[in-house]
Amino acid sequence: GENVEQHPSTLSVQEGDSAVIKCTYSDSASNYFPWYKQELGKRPQLIIDIRSNVGEKKDQRIAVTLNKTAKHFSLHITETQPEDSAVYFCAAVMDSSYKLIFGSGTRLLVRP
Amino acid sequence: EPEVTQTPSHQVTQMGQEVILRCVPISNHLYFYWYRQILGQKVEFLVSFYNNEISEKSEIFDDQFSVERPDGSNFTLKIRSTKLEDSAMYFCASSSSGAGLGEQYFGPGTRLTVT
Repeated sequence: GENVEQHPSTLSVQEGDSAVIKCTYSDSASNYFPWYKQELGKRPQLIIDIRSNVGEKKDQRIAVTLNKTAKHFSLHITETQPEDSAVYFCAAVMDSSYKLIFGSGTRLLVRP
Repeated sequence: EPEVTQTPSHQVTQMGQEVILRCVPISNHLYFYWYRQILGQKVEFLVSFYNNEISEKSEIFDDQFSVERPDGSNFTLKIRSTKLEDSAMYFCASSSSGAGLGEQYFGPGTRLTVT
């Protein structure tokens, strides 16, 4: 079945620096790739997503890139702020499926 | 902005008891989901529901679990005869579009503790 690998598991950056989180997926039928941010004890919140017909998408300080050939996608956060500190999950959805397959999560710490 | 809501926020039950977790999806959404997250682990899919029937389920979603949309607003997850390993955060989600298409919006979760 579909599997999503996510790296790194923890990431510590200085405020103002960039952070990059990478995911790979196994099933080439995957066509939708959302990213969720989860603060401690809170719900996963959708922050950005990308579909397989697009290579890159940007929303202010957040961007996502997709390489379909290599089957990997990445989250880029620029000018990080302490409030960006959270666990970030990537996910993939296969065409004709309903289920989000999540990566294992990245704990991002932004040091003031 | 409309949000998915869930009740209760925390449920404590004894092993072997039945629990019902409740969710109110976003009102114009047609697709509903349950996920669970064991403490410190990733979110895992349990089941999706559309048009009053299960559209997809995972291996976790065995005969112990059932879902229901008892009225026009609620969506419930029932766990019969709970086990210690059922302790987790259970998230409900909803979306306006279906397979492979729609953004899924999550509720705040119900923390289930089985003792």
